Amino acid sequence: QSALTQPASVSGSPGQSITISCTGTSSDVGGYNYVSWYQQHPGKAPKLMIYEVSNRPSGVSNRFSGSKSGNTASLTISGLQAEDEADYYCSSYTSSSTPYVVFGGGTKLTVL
Amino acid sequence: QVQLQESGPGLVKPSQTLSLTCTVSGGSISSGSYYWSWIRQPAGKGLEWIGRIYTSGSTNYNPSLKSRVTISVDTSKNQFSLKLSSVTAADTAVYYCARGYSYGYSFDYWGQGTLVTVSS
Repeated sequence: QSALTQPASVSGSPGQSITISCTGTSSDVGGYNYVSWYQQHPGKAPKLMIYEVSNRPSGVSNRFSGSKSGNTASLTISGLQAEDEADYYCSSYTSSSTPYVVFGGGTKLTVL
Repeated sequence: QVQLQESGPGLVKPSQTLSLTCTVSGGSISSGSYYWSWIRQPAGKGLEWIGRIYTSGSTNYNPSLKSRVTISVDTSKNQFSLKLSSVTAADTAVYYCARGYSYGYSFDYWGQGTLVTVSS
């Protein structure tokens, strides 16, 4: 069982907006602004889409945005395109006896 | 452009030690405030962070794997390595190396991944 909870699947039509949630605890998502989001196409390595809750790396479309409220982070994709169909994973720093990173279980995005 | 490439055996016997190396090109592994991580993904499942190393040699490991993991760095070869001991079938996965950005908690460059199967 993953430390962060994501919906198994979401779907949307081209042009629409969708939001993927990522729920943790005050020891990870809620306590720190080190939430990241990754996009993974089949057979490929993950790609960083959002870091530090809402920052986009250079080259990532501004259709992707991130936010956080309490223990839940969210990834919103606006203007859905066919190429957005992929698996999406959230991650967070988590406090412990040693710092480490936890991932969500992943969400399959289907563009209808 | 930074590139990472994993290498190592694709088949490991149960109870033995899995050993992988990640070669970094397009930049020095010693430059900048980056952490170098290993992450794995069993087939059809999610991502699991294994651990990381800073160029100073300091390491952090996933508590669930800590007793079996060792990550080391060889700055002269621009490489870092993973050793996972006492492997079982549950360790079968695609193993990725990645560069940790933002205090090492975001991964901006990834290797292509290498499948390691644990089987006799």
